[in-house]
Amino acid sequence: NAGVTQTPKFRILKIGQSMTLQCTQDMNHNYMYWYRQDPGMGLKLIYYSVGAGITDKGEVPNGYNVSRSTTEDFPLRLELAAPSQTSVYFCASRLPNQPQHFGDGTRLSIL
Amino acid sequence: GIQVEQSPPDLILQEGANSTLRCNFSDSVNNLQWFHQNPWGQLINLFYIPSGTKQNGRLSATTVATERYSLLYISSSQTTDSGVYFCAALTGANNLFFGTGTRLTVIP
Repeated sequence: NAGVTQTPKFRILKIGQSMTLQCTQDMNHNYMYWYRQDPGMGLKLIYYSVGAGITDKGEVPNGYNVSRSTTEDFPLRLELAAPSQTSVYFCASRLPNQPQHFGDGTRLSIL
Repeated sequence: GIQVEQSPPDLILQEGANSTLRCNFSDSVNNLQWFHQNPWGQLINLFYIPSGTKQNGRLSATTVATERYSLLYISSSQTTDSGVYFCAALTGANNLFFGTGTRLTVIP
């Protein structure tokens, strides 16, 4: 199993551009999550999904969108990139009553 | 959401020393996880521990859910233990709320 795979690993965007951060897992986990980690801070939840077709907002959803059309994939969309969205983004997945497993992160800079 | 506080924020240890990291949470939780974020930024699961004590090698963790805290013990620390240690509380809405971490530096 590859676990949780995130692409790209690094990206630089200009203000106002859009992009999709990809996340896929091959463990058949039904729960999936997107977090952002700002420098010197813990992770904050952006969106999560408890299964295909179901998504919910987390703590900091503004400026982001998600979809969950399959069990494996949970892409995160930034429509109009802003400097405040410069961060490291982590995707995670888990089974019920099991720990979350994290991808290696996507480092995003918006200039 | 739930508040998660970790102490100390920074810790410097001589190799071979022991340490205790603390995590307090403001409300009842379904579960608690401890993570190690290594210098490359990767998040490594350490413990998934709603209550009681678990041990894994030189590391152990204890959660006292009724008193809303968890402790992570590191014994005989090694330089490879350096990094940031996070605790995260899982609530009924399937959200993980993270503390701000303890940055551990182990010097040889």
